[in-house]
Amino acid sequence: NAGVTQTPKFQVLKTGQSMTLQCAQDMNHEYMSWYRQDPGMGLRLIHYSVGAGITDQGEVPNGYNVSRSTTEDFPLRLLSAAPSQTSVYFCASSRDGSPYNSPLHFGNGTRLTVT
Amino acid sequence: DAKTTQPPSMDCAEGRAANLPCNHSTISGNEYVYWYRQIHSQGPQYIIHGLKNNETNEMASLIITEDRKSSTLILPHATLRDTAVYYCIVRVARNNDMRFGAGTRLTVKP
Repeated sequence: NAGVTQTPKFQVLKTGQSMTLQCAQDMNHEYMSWYRQDPGMGLRLIHYSVGAGITDQGEVPNGYNVSRSTTEDFPLRLLSAAPSQTSVYFCASSRDGSPYNSPLHFGNGTRLTVT
Repeated sequence: DAKTTQPPSMDCAEGRAANLPCNHSTISGNEYVYWYRQIHSQGPQYIIHGLKNNETNEMASLIITEDRKSSTLILPHATLRDTAVYYCIVRVARNNDMRFGAGTRLTVKP
């Protein structure tokens, strides 16, 4: 199993550009989520999905869209990039949406810089 | 959500056991204790989790006090590659959100 795979590893955007961060998992996990990590802020939840066709907002959803057309893929779209979206983005998955006994598995991140 | 308190940093000698404490005095009965670590700028790595009983896997042991108000992660024979930030998380959010705090920066020294 490759686990959770994120692409690209690095990306530089100009303000106003759009792009999609890709996330795929091969563990047949129902639950997937996106976090951003900023210095001194810890990880903050952007969007999550408890299964194909179902998505919901997390703590910091503004400026981002997601979709979940398959169990394996959960892309994150930046609609119009802003410097405030400079961050490291992590995708995660778990067997199901239960918070009780279902550890999250993380990808290795996408480092995004918006100039 | 229950909050956790961890020391900001710890040192450990290579080959010795590393004992990382975590206080979670407001934990409720159905909340699990999870431990993750993050090495440099990689993605967080799951280590272990438990509810009431002590747990052990190939990476570490988790000791939870009887009142569940604190726990200790034990790395039995720390190596230089165990240098990382370790996060203790108590999680019950409906949306499965994993609230990472500041964690403990463990430095394993030769």
